[in-house]
Amino acid sequence: GENVEQHPSTLSVQEGDSAVIKCTYSDSASNYFPWYKQELGKRPQLIIDIRSNVGEKKDQRIAVTLNKTAKHFSLHITETQPEDSAVYFCAAANFGNEKLTFGTGTRLTIIP
Amino acid sequence: NAGVTQTPKFQVLKTGQSMTLQCAQDMNHNSMYWYRQDPGMGLRLIYYSASEGTTDKGEVPNGYNVSRLNKREFSLRLESAAPSQTSVYFCASRTRGGAASPLHFGNGTRLTVT
Repeated sequence: GENVEQHPSTLSVQEGDSAVIKCTYSDSASNYFPWYKQELGKRPQLIIDIRSNVGEKKDQRIAVTLNKTAKHFSLHITETQPEDSAVYFCAAANFGNEKLTFGTGTRLTIIP
Repeated sequence: NAGVTQTPKFQVLKTGQSMTLQCAQDMNHNSMYWYRQDPGMGLRLIYYSASEGTTDKGEVPNGYNVSRLNKREFSLRLESAAPSQTSVYFCASRTRGGAASPLHFGNGTRLTVT
């Protein structure tokens, strides 16, 4: 089955700086890679996703990059703000497989 | 539009007791899922149902059973609770077919087994 590794487990950055979270996956058949944000005590919510036919996707201050050859993908948050503090999860899935496998999460703290 | 609704929000059980976690979605989604979340372990799939009438095991199915009662409802049952099942449980749903679609999560059930 799919295995997703996520690093780092914790990350602290100064407000206004950039944050990068990295994930690797094991199944070369995976072709859908979403990122979820979970604020304290809340449910995970999708913030951005990318499909394997795309190398990069941006949405305002958030971007995701995908390297299919190396089987890794990354989340980039620029101009970080206090409300970016949360736990972020990466995940991987195959379109034809109903299972979504998650990484272990990164706790991001923005230092004012 | 409520999305995914889970009940109860909190539950404390003694070892050996049983209970059922309820989940319902009103988005006409085909697929439904149960995940557990433990510190440092991320979200691990317990069981899922790709369509009404079907269920399949995920990564950590031992000690659990599920029922896809109809298209809207997917319940998770603990027959004999153990302290190792202390966790936060999330139900989720999504559409299926061809294009990828995101998971929509419920608000979670915090379960403590003493």
